[in-house]
Amino acid sequence: GAVVSQHPSWVICKSGTSVKIECRSLDFQATTMFWYRQFPKQSLMLMATSNEGSKATYEQGVEKDKFLINHASLTLSTLTVTSAHPEDSSFYICSASTGQTQFFGPGTRLTVL
Amino acid sequence: TQLLEQSPQFLSIQEGENLTVYCNSSSVFSSLQWYRQEPGEGPVLLVTVVTGGEVKKLKRLTFQFGDARKDSSLHITAAQPGDTGLYLCAGEETYNTDKLIFGTGTRLQVFP
Repeated sequence: GAVVSQHPSWVICKSGTSVKIECRSLDFQATTMFWYRQFPKQSLMLMATSNEGSKATYEQGVEKDKFLINHASLTLSTLTVTSAHPEDSSFYICSASTGQTQFFGPGTRLTVL
Repeated sequence: TQLLEQSPQFLSIQEGENLTVYCNSSSVFSSLQWYRQEPGEGPVLLVTVVTGGEVKKLKRLTFQFGDARKDSSLHITAAQPGDTGLYLCAGEETYNTDKLIFGTGTRLQVFP
């Protein structure tokens, strides 16, 4: 089956620093990649939709200047949390879509001190 | 914005019991998916239902899509501790075939 990886799997950073999370589709090319955020004991909330070579589409309430998304190729999308603060601490999950099915990564746990 | 409400929110049962999780919306979805997620991991797809009234079975799990494609249910027969996890329904928006809207989630705990 299709495999999606995320790196790093967890990261701890100081408040004010920026953190980059990578999402890769390992054995297929993804037409679209999605970024989700999940707080403890809650469901997944879509943050943005990312298409290769074009600007990401952000959901209402998600700051595009804070959550920078770069989709450089059909197998790689990155999410950079800029000037991270403790309230940005969360579980970030990406998915890669073939156009019919989304395959989810294992998630990245971000803790901002 | 389309919303998907799941009920119950939490469920703790003994091994061997049956249970049903509901996923409801006032909006129509082109398809609906069910996922199970374990702590610290991404969600894993269990099933996709597409046709109104469709019923799919996966071993002890039975999934049904409502006739109007607005709701769905997941029934587990003879639950086992290995069924423990967060169950999420997700609807595919009718006008965007890629975008998923996730339900509020049902956390299931099955005790031996």
